[in-house]
Amino acid sequence: AQTVTQSQPEMSVQEAETVTLSCTYDTSENNYYLFWYKQPPSRQMILVIRQEAYKQQNATENRFSVNFQKAAKSFSLKISDSQLGDTAMYFCAFMRTSGTYKYIFGTGTRLKVLA
Amino acid sequence: DTAVSQTPKYLVTQMGNDKSIKCEQNLGHDTMYWYKQDSKKFLKIMFSYNNKELIINETVPNRFSPKSPDKAHLNLHINSLELGDSAVYFCASSQGMAGANVLTFGAGSRLTVL
Repeated sequence: AQTVTQSQPEMSVQEAETVTLSCTYDTSENNYYLFWYKQPPSRQMILVIRQEAYKQQNATENRFSVNFQKAAKSFSLKISDSQLGDTAMYFCAFMRTSGTYKYIFGTGTRLKVLA
Repeated sequence: DTAVSQTPKYLVTQMGNDKSIKCEQNLGHDTMYWYKQDSKKFLKIMFSYNNKELIINETVPNRFSPKSPDKAHLNLHINSLELGDSAVYFCASSQGMAGANVLTFGAGSRLTVL
């Protein structure tokens, strides 16, 4: 069974600084997708970034980038130039590409950006 | 225009009651989901429907009954509510079920059982 682990329940960062959120996962699959979702205090979950396991190049979306280490089964999220609006819960998620297509979410990291 | 809308946003009810949460999406997606987020923020899938057909049915008590009258709607009915049902329930949708699909979530429905 797949599992997703986020070992940092809470983190804080100063505005304009860079922060990295950790995520590790366990799977025997070779092809899968990894995601980071953000849940601000308004509760609505929104996609931050997505990575396909067969792509070696790390995904980037503006200030958000990932460090995908397939052999180590690690998928960390780096937020550069942190903004107050980045304050949220961040969830790492895994989805395999065979069998039952369902997301497995990590337990989340609460990020607070300090002014 | 809200892409995935859930009603009600808040629901407070007594143990033993029956309640429903409705979900509608206007994205033209063919797959819809119900997720439960507990007090520790753990998010777990409950059900998934693809073109009105039940695809995923996790180990959820049969007091929970989803219903998808069409591709754009997925409702959740809960019978004989228990204290442990208190949570935030999220509806989501996607186009297809393959791995690249991105979930679009609703704003959640917070259910409190007293």
